[in-house]
Amino acid sequence: EIVLTQSPGTLSLSPGERATLSCRASQTVSNSYLAWYQQKPGQAPRVLIYGASSRATGIPDRFSGSGSGTDFTLTISRLEPEDFAVYYCQRYGSSPWTFGQGTKVEIK
Amino acid sequence: EVQLVESGGALVQPGGSLRLSCAAFRFTSSSYWMNWVRQAPEKGLEWVASINEDGSEKSYVDSVKGRFTISRDDAKNSVYLQMNSLRDEDTAVYYCARWGEGLDCWGQGTLVTVSS
Repeated sequence: EIVLTQSPGTLSLSPGERATLSCRASQTVSNSYLAWYQQKPGQAPRVLIYGASSRATGIPDRFSGSGSGTDFTLTISRLEPEDFAVYYCQRYGSSPWTFGQGTKVEIK
Repeated sequence: EVQLVESGGALVQPGGSLRLSCAAFRFTSSSYWMNWVRQAPEKGLEWVASINEDGSEKSYVDSVKGRFTISRDDAKNSVYLQMNSLRDEDTAVYYCARWGEGLDCWGQGTLVTVSS
């Protein structure tokens, strides 16, 4: 099983600032089968990025994903008030699919 | 707008059984891999099970193998999760999700509580 470790656990930033979230895999993630999700309290998650760097339909271009192998990054170029939430990375492809433990982006 | 609606969550005693349902609206679920993902209270997301488009391939997280079964009924445009031998640690909100551009369509979730 590939374990995903996200860092930091919590990111305290102000609106307009840049957010950089990390997801490190315990083994190589083949084919860059890595996705990112946003979850707000009381809501289901929403996909942001799949294939490590492809934005899902309707996702603003301030969200970008990068990386390959074992190191992946989600960048939010300028935080909007609605971006404060918990973010999860996910590895898919061969079973079992796994999620990271999450990074909370909170208002400073 | 495409939509998934889960139902069937309840309070059940340890060792009991429950069947969750997930109905798809405004898209054909048989064209997609369908999945169950759960979230224990105040915890992160955990993938539980997947089923391919024609139901011939199923996969599960190790902790539910032999206890949970995923299935689909294309005539009802629905996916199911049969859960047997439930344990305290199965307590969670269970989400149904479609695999498209990532898990790109999620239901609102249904709460399963395992407790005596």
